[in-house]
Amino acid sequence: EAEVAQSPRYKITEKSQAVAFWCDPISGHATLYWYRQILGQGPELLVQFQDESVVDDSQLPKDRFSAERLKGVDSTLKIQPAELGDSAMYLCASSFSGSLFTDTQYFGPGTRLTVL
Amino acid sequence: AQSVTQLDSHVSVSEGTPVLLRCNYSSSYSPSLFWYVQHPNKGLQLLLKYTSAATLVKGINGFEAEFKKSETSFHLTKPSAHMSDAAEYFCVVSDGGYSSASKIIFGSGTRLSIRP
Repeated sequence: EAEVAQSPRYKITEKSQAVAFWCDPISGHATLYWYRQILGQGPELLVQFQDESVVDDSQLPKDRFSAERLKGVDSTLKIQPAELGDSAMYLCASSFSGSLFTDTQYFGPGTRLTVL
Repeated sequence: AQSVTQLDSHVSVSEGTPVLLRCNYSSSYSPSLFWYVQHPNKGLQLLLKYTSAATLVKGINGFEAEFKKSETSFHLTKPSAHMSDAAEYFCVVSDGGYSSASKIIFGSGTRLSIRP
């Protein structure tokens, strides 16, 4: 069964350093989502791509976070500089067309970030 | 604006007894509603979804949920709990429609524990 791949699975960094996470969605899925899940809370959508275009990045802290999906396939989420409050699980998900009416979001295992 | 409230942060039941996880929502539009499950060290998995068809929705692993518009609720139930049901459960609301730009809001989660 096809899965959403994420790497690394764990990342420890010091504050003010740069970090990057990678996501490879299920083949053929046009929509890609990045979520942040703080311990004890539900996931919060950071950015949504439709192919290579950003559909929603209203909750992305743009002063330090950036996301790209250059060829409309895999995606990278970057944080620079990292802050203590960025410690969280970063989840990637994909779906065929982005319509939750007809599609299902498939989630990757996540990247757990610890900022020291 | 839309929101979702999971009324219990932790529910504990004995194996073989019924499960009830409560979720209330608020939405300006006809919402789509979902329940996801997150097992430790595994990705989020869709249990079931409501998209304006039948109000009683059946999902995987014996779970079901009923959409009650008058009560703005979408509670998750299972007649008989199994040890493997122990996990974190998230109720999710979307402002619906076929658009790929539908807003997605996760609840804060309910941790389900199963006593032998």
